[in-house]
Amino acid sequence: NAGVTQTPKFQVLKTGQSMTLQCAQDMNHEYMSWYRQDPGMGLRLIHYSVGAGITDQGEVPNGYNVSRSTTEDFPLRLLSAAPSQTSVYFCASSYAGGSGNTIYFGEGSWLTVV
Amino acid sequence: KNEVEQSPQNLTAQEGEFITINCSYSVGISALHWLQQHPGGGIVSLFMLSSGKKKHGRLIATINIQEKHSSLHITASHPRDSAVYICAVRSWANFGNEKLTFGTGTRLTIIP
Repeated sequence: NAGVTQTPKFQVLKTGQSMTLQCAQDMNHEYMSWYRQDPGMGLRLIHYSVGAGITDQGEVPNGYNVSRSTTEDFPLRLLSAAPSQTSVYFCASSYAGGSGNTIYFGEGSWLTVV
Repeated sequence: KNEVEQSPQNLTAQEGEFITINCSYSVGISALHWLQQHPGGGIVSLFMLSSGKKKHGRLIATINIQEKHSSLHITASHPRDSAVYICAVRSWANFGNEKLTFGTGTRLTIIP
């Protein structure tokens, strides 16, 4: 059971470049989400999804796109990277609603935009 | 005002002390999570609560739904408990979907 697999772990981008952070889970979780973590600000929700074909914006969606074509995968796309997107990114998944829905996190992706 | 407020932001204590970290929230929730993040970044779920109290080893989490408040307690604290503890609430967002909102975390340092 791999849990939540997030890649890459480290990435350096030049301003204006595009890239995709990959996130996959093998627990059949409905709920998947992307967060960024910046010093002193905690985790902020970028986008989330409650199932295949359903996504919604979080607190800081600008500059990021997501799609959810399968239950397992929830990639995060940066179309034109900016230095303000330098951050640590976490993907997470859980069952939606009800009790017993522990959150599982990926190991994080350290992104630097120069 | 943030939907989820944690206190204190930083806490330093001696080994063996009883630790309390507080979380207050302002929205209706379906569940509250306590998470632990060690240096190096990994985030681990400690508890998920929708009512009452849960205990796991030296960790105890409580929630008061009416007061919109939760606490995380650590008994007989140890240096390996040093980490950032994060409170997150699951609430209803657009179109009946759920979302998670996080507190900014409490950085706990236990001195031997």
